[in-house]
Amino acid sequence: DIVMTQSPDSLAVSLGERATINCKSSQSVLYSSNNKNYLAWYQQKPGQPPKLLIYWASTRESGVPDRFSGSGSGTDFTLTISSLQAEDVAVYYCQQYYSTPLFTFGPGTKVDIK
Amino acid sequence: EVQLVESGGGLVQPGGSLRLSCAASGFTFSSYWMSWVRQAPGKGLEWVANIKQDGSEKYYVDSVKGRFTISRDNAKNSLYLQMNSLRAEDTAVYYCARAHSNFYFDYWGQGTLVTVSS
Repeated sequence: DIVMTQSPDSLAVSLGERATINCKSSQSVLYSSNNKNYLAWYQQKPGQPPKLLIYWASTRESGVPDRFSGSGSGTDFTLTISSLQAEDVAVYYCQQYYSTPLFTFGPGTKVDIK
Repeated sequence: EVQLVESGGGLVQPGGSLRLSCAASGFTFSSYWMSWVRQAPGKGLEWVANIKQDGSEKYYVDSVKGRFTISRDNAKNSLYLQMNSLRAEDTAVYYCARAHSNFYFDYWGQGTLVTVSS
């Protein structure tokens, strides 16, 4: 099984400042035949279902603000919120789909306002 | 507009059974893999099961194999999860989710709470 870890567990960032969340997989999720990283990011606000933000490690879902960006390859990935807004307070999860049809999520990173 | 609406959650005793349903609308249901993902209170997300467009392939997380059964009715645009031999650790909000090409989950329902307790 591919195990996903995230760091930090939580972070507090001032409004307008950058937030960086890391995600690591226990094995590479880069599929060599198409050079794609099988990794997605989700945002979950309190009392709401998760919302897809990023797929293929760096492709923003339609309607997602461009302050959200994904990067990384292989086993190490980053979700960056370039200028934190109040509405970005949430828990963020990474998910690997390299082992499709089996999937695993990271444990989540909570983002708050400092 | 894509909508996924779960129902069927509730309180059940350990060892009991429950059947969850998910009504889909706003897209061609029969063209998509569908999944169940759960979230225990205060915890993270756990993929539970998924099913191919025609129901010919089904996959489960190890912890529910032999106890849970995923199914679908494309004529009714509905997804189901039959849960038997329920345990306290199955207590969670269960989300129905559309799996884009069986990769990532692009639409989620609001979830239905299952509580297993005596």
